[in-house]
Amino acid sequence: AQSVAQPEDQVNVAEGNPLTVKCTYSVSGNPYLFWYVQYPNRGLQFLLKYITGDNLVKGSYGFEAEFNKSQTSFHLKKPSALVSDSALYFCAVRDNAGNNRKLIWGLGTSLAVNP
Amino acid sequence: NAGVTQTPKFRILKIGQSMTLQCTQDMNHNYMYWYRQDPGMGLKLIYYSVGAGITDKGEVPNGYNVSRSTTEDFPLRLELAAPSQTSVYFCASSRTSGMSDTQYFGPGTRLTVL
Repeated sequence: AQSVAQPEDQVNVAEGNPLTVKCTYSVSGNPYLFWYVQYPNRGLQFLLKYITGDNLVKGSYGFEAEFNKSQTSFHLKKPSALVSDSALYFCAVRDNAGNNRKLIWGLGTSLAVNP
Repeated sequence: NAGVTQTPKFRILKIGQSMTLQCTQDMNHNYMYWYRQDPGMGLKLIYYSVGAGITDKGEVPNGYNVSRSTTEDFPLRLELAAPSQTSVYFCASSRTSGMSDTQYFGPGTRLTVL
């Protein structure tokens, strides 16, 4: 079965330090991977996606993600965290089995950036 | 563009009451989705629509109904509210169901059933 996992419920990092939010996936065929962010009391916002090509994908707000096929991972990164990055982050993979091509969502990782 | 809008933002229902959650998008997207978000459970797809007049069930459709009479609107109906339907509901839309297509989300409706 196709799935996505975010192994950490919460990540804490000091402002100015690099941050990583982890995501691993299991799909048949080529993966189409997404990161979304949810700020408190807001809807989800698209950050970036991997479709094909360069393994390092750059997105909004200075975030980037590295696709690693051998490790089936798509970790979200930022070189220098801001307090305003504190939010809930969701990884998702496109279900490429069948016709409806739903997004399969991870459970989310809460990022807390401490001043 | 307002994007995806949802009303109401908050609602408290009594068990057995009914209500409709409204969702409108102004991006001329064909695909629309309803999700519920429960703490620690991520997002679960309730229903989706591939265009006006066409809807289909997602992972957790029981207790809900939808309709899609126009491209813009995709209301979600709860007929007999139950405490298990206490959740935050998000509507989303996308231009296509293509593998690379991005979904755009509304701000959500927080529903409590007492």
